[in-house]
Amino acid sequence: QVQLVESGGGWVKPGGSLRLSCAASGFTFSDYYMTWIRQAPGKGLEWVSYISMSGGSIYYAESVKGRFTVSRDNAESSLYLQMNSLRAEDTAVYYCARALYGSGTGWFDPWGQGVLVTVSS
Amino acid sequence: QSALTQPASVSGSPGQSITISCTGTSSEVVIYNLVSWYQQHPGKAPKLMIYEGSKRPSGVSNRFSGSGSGNTASLTISGLQAEDEADYYCSSYAGSSTLFGGGTKVTVL
Repeated sequence: QVQLVESGGGWVKPGGSLRLSCAASGFTFSDYYMTWIRQAPGKGLEWVSYISMSGGSIYYAESVKGRFTVSRDNAESSLYLQMNSLRAEDTAVYYCARALYGSGTGWFDPWGQGVLVTVSS
Repeated sequence: QSALTQPASVSGSPGQSITISCTGTSSEVVIYNLVSWYQQHPGKAPKLMIYEGSKRPSGVSNRFSGSGSGNTASLTISGLQAEDEADYYCSSYAGSSTLFGGGTKVTVL
C-alpha cells in the first residue's frame, strides 16, 4: 500500500543542523509533488515546503526560507529536508506527505507517521 | 495566528450532527471547493477526509461531508460517533503555498 516513513529526527542545539528523510513506497514517487508539513507541540499544522516531481520547482514557507532545503531522489523514492541554523521555534513533529492536485487545488494524502525534531540548548 | 479561522472546539452527543467552519481572514479568501479537511487523532498523523471542498477519498465514511458559501468552508459530521473525537484542520491551497486553519477539537459527549 502507499506508505511514507520519515527518519532522521532528534535533538539538536540552536544553530545546529539536521537532515530528515522520507522513504516512499507503494506508488510511483517520481509522478508526484511532495511536501513537508510540521506541527509544534500542542499546536496546529504549518506547511513548510513543496517540491515538484523533477525537483525543478521548490517553494518554502517564509519561516524557513534560506535555512531549509528540500530535495528528492526519484531513483531511491526518497524525499529530504536539510535543516540548518535551527531555532527553538523549529521544534516540531515533521511530516512528509504526497501532494495531489485537481480542479485548481491541492491536498495531501497520505502522510507519514512524523518525526520529532527538538531544538534546545 | 492562522490565516484560516476555525472554532477552537465543537461538541456533540452520539448520533447528532456537528459542523466545523473555516473562514478566511481579510487578506485570505476561502473558496470552499479549494479546501481540504484533515482528521488527527492524538499522537497520530493527519488523515485526509475531504478534498476539493466536498469530495471524499475512498474509505472515508459518508457521515463526513464538505460544503461552503461565501468566504467560509464547512465540514459536517453526521451521526456523530465516539471514534470521531479528534482534531480537525481545514487547508486552503494557494499555488506556491498552503494555509491551514488553527484546528478544531471535536468532543463527543
